[in-house]
Amino acid sequence: AQSVAQPEDQVNVAEGNPLTVKCTYSVSGNPYLFWYVQYPNRGLQFLLKYITGDNLVKGSYGFEAEFNKSQTSFHLKKPSALVSDSALYFCAVRDLYSGNTPLVFGKGTRLSVIA
Amino acid sequence: DSGVTQTPKHLITATGQRVTLRCSPRSGDLSVYWYQQSLDQGLQFLIHYYNGEERAKGNILERFSAQQFPDLHSELNLSSLELGDSALYFCASSASNSGNTIYFGEGSWLTVV
Repeated sequence: AQSVAQPEDQVNVAEGNPLTVKCTYSVSGNPYLFWYVQYPNRGLQFLLKYITGDNLVKGSYGFEAEFNKSQTSFHLKKPSALVSDSALYFCAVRDLYSGNTPLVFGKGTRLSVIA
Repeated sequence: DSGVTQTPKHLITATGQRVTLRCSPRSGDLSVYWYQQSLDQGLQFLIHYYNGEERAKGNILERFSAQQFPDLHSELNLSSLELGDSALYFCASSASNSGNTIYFGEGSWLTVV
C-alpha cells in the first residue's frame, strides 16, 4: 500500500527566509511523487513532480524538491519565501508501475509566511 | 486555470436529498478522478474513470455513484445525503491511464443542512 506522511501540520517562516515543507512516502515499487498547493477556496495546483532522473526537481513559483531514496523523502523547498506563498501544501505519491492505483495524498501542511 | 471545469461551485441541500456534481476534464484527457476533501479526513480518493470505464474505486460510499460519459465528462451522484457528507468535492483529470500529472478543478462545495 502507498502512503504519504507530512509530519508538520503548520510551518511558519519569515519572508525572505528559506522554507522547507517535509514529506516522506512509502511505496512497494518506484515512487512517482508530486507536490500540489491549495490557496483558500481554490483547487489544488500542480507545483512539481518526480519520476526518474535528477534528484532535484524544479517547479513553479521558484519551488524545488529533493528526492532522497534512502530516506524515502521528497521535501519541498524554496530559497526565499514570499508572503504570497502562504497556502496549504500537499505531497502525493503513487507507485510508478502499479497500474490503476490513484494518487495518495498526505494530510497537508499549512505554510504561513510572515512579513 | 487548470482546464478542469466543475459545476456547481456551491451547493446547499437538506439531509436525505440527492445531488449531482458535474465535471468536464481538460481537453483530450481520458482519465477523470473524484476526490473528497474534508477537515477531518483530508483528501480522500473516491473513484477513477478512464475513457468511460471504471478503473479504481477508493473510499466511496454505496450512496455515491459516478459515471463518465462518451464525451468524457463525468458526474458524481450523491444520494441520501447526511450531514457528514458536507465537504469539498474535487474532480481531476489526466492525459492517460498510467498516471501522468493530474490537474484539479476548483471543486464543488457541498453543504448538507
